[in-house]
Amino acid sequence: EPEVTQTPSHQVTQMGQEVILHCVPISNHLYFYWYRQILGQKVEFLVSFYNNEISEKSEIFDDQFSVERPDGSNFTLKIRSTKLEDSAMYFCASKPDRTEAFFGQGTRLTVV
Amino acid sequence: SQQGEEDPQALSIQEGENATMNCSYKTSINNLQWYRQNSGRGLVHLILIRSNEREKHSGRLRVTLDTSKKSSSLLITASRAADTASYFCATDAPYNTDKLIFGTGTRLQVFP
Repeated sequence: EPEVTQTPSHQVTQMGQEVILHCVPISNHLYFYWYRQILGQKVEFLVSFYNNEISEKSEIFDDQFSVERPDGSNFTLKIRSTKLEDSAMYFCASKPDRTEAFFGQGTRLTVV
Repeated sequence: SQQGEEDPQALSIQEGENATMNCSYKTSINNLQWYRQNSGRGLVHLILIRSNEREKHSGRLRVTLDTSKKSSSLLITASRAADTASYFCATDAPYNTDKLIFGTGTRLQVFP
């Protein structure tokens, strides 16, 4: 069964460093998303991406964040200068149309 | 106020019992989805119910939707220890945006 794949599963980085989280969405899907979940809290929307551009972003998704779909298969989330409060589980999701979203297993980002 | 609040926050039952979780939301929706999350893991899509549907079944899962009360329930029948997880409802946001808004989740513990 096709699935959304995220790497790495766990990333530890020092405050101020740049991190790139990787996602391979399901191949025929058209809509792509990043969400995050701070430990013990709700899953929060970060950004949606369609037709090679950002279609919507949340207040969390400030200038420190960016997304790319560099080669038609990967979908990356970059955080330029990480802060302690960026520590969270980051989920990538994709969907073929306006139906259910399929989520990856997540990348646990720990900023120290 | 939050879009998507589940209750109870935590539920402990014995194997074989039924588990019912409720979700309330604030604004109009196109559809509502239920997801499951094992501890520290990814989100697994369980079921989607559209705003014009009142009930949907999938295996041991039964979901109801009452748009007049802006609420949904997830019933897991004949629960198993393997059902132990957190369960989240997620609504598509109003005004035709594409993001999902997640509830606070119900932590279900099923004792063997």
